Amino acid sequence: TAGITQAPTSQILAAGRSMTLRCTQDMRHNAMYWYRQDLGLGLRLIHYSNTAGTTGKGEVPDGYSVSRANTDDFPLTLASAVPSQTSVYFCASTPGPGNTEAFFGQGTRLTVV
Amino acid sequence: QKEVEQNSGPLSVPEGAIASLNCTYSDRGSQSFFWYRQYSGKSPELIMFIYSNGDKEDGRFTAQLNKASQYVSLLIRDSQPSDSATYLCAVWGRRSNDYKLSFGAGTTVTVRA
Repeated sequence: TAGITQAPTSQILAAGRSMTLRCTQDMRHNAMYWYRQDLGLGLRLIHYSNTAGTTGKGEVPDGYSVSRANTDDFPLTLASAVPSQTSVYFCASTPGPGNTEAFFGQGTRLTVV
Repeated sequence: QKEVEQNSGPLSVPEGAIASLNCTYSDRGSQSFFWYRQYSGKSPELIMFIYSNGDKEDGRFTAQLNKASQYVSLLIRDSQPSDSATYLCAVWGRRSNDYKLSFGAGTTVTVRA
């Protein structure tokens, strides 16, 4: 089934450790996004990429980095995890930037202890 | 001011009643508006989108948009227990050449049998 795949599904991470959350889509969408979802705060944009080779900062980018080497993959890296990064992370994609439906991966539940 | 605000929940309605969800947005230039439904532990899924002022109906769902008031709403008629979920309002905004999809915090709806 076409769509977005995130890995891992869940992870417990020690504070100070690094981790990369993986996101792969097979819809040939140009734009991809990383959101975090916390209770009462909804989905907040971390980083985005309008097309392969470009990235931009969202609403809450601190402590996170991304890369977009090709159309299909958009990994999110936590260089040195802190407990406040405990959240559910969603990767999403759209055919292009703006004015279209966003498709979501199944999410990664990350707990930083 | 948050870019997208939703009426705080939770909202509890009896089966068969109308559930009314409200959303306001701050970017007057926004042109497209989406409602997503998210079941507990799952990723958001699109249920409605609206681009023009007025009403748009799809089955038991009606989206209403008033750009002058920067207001968008979702009505769920004949509410069913399967409608129990969190509903997220999403708005595309634009800054220079960058598009950003912003979400509200969500309204949790419980339909009582």
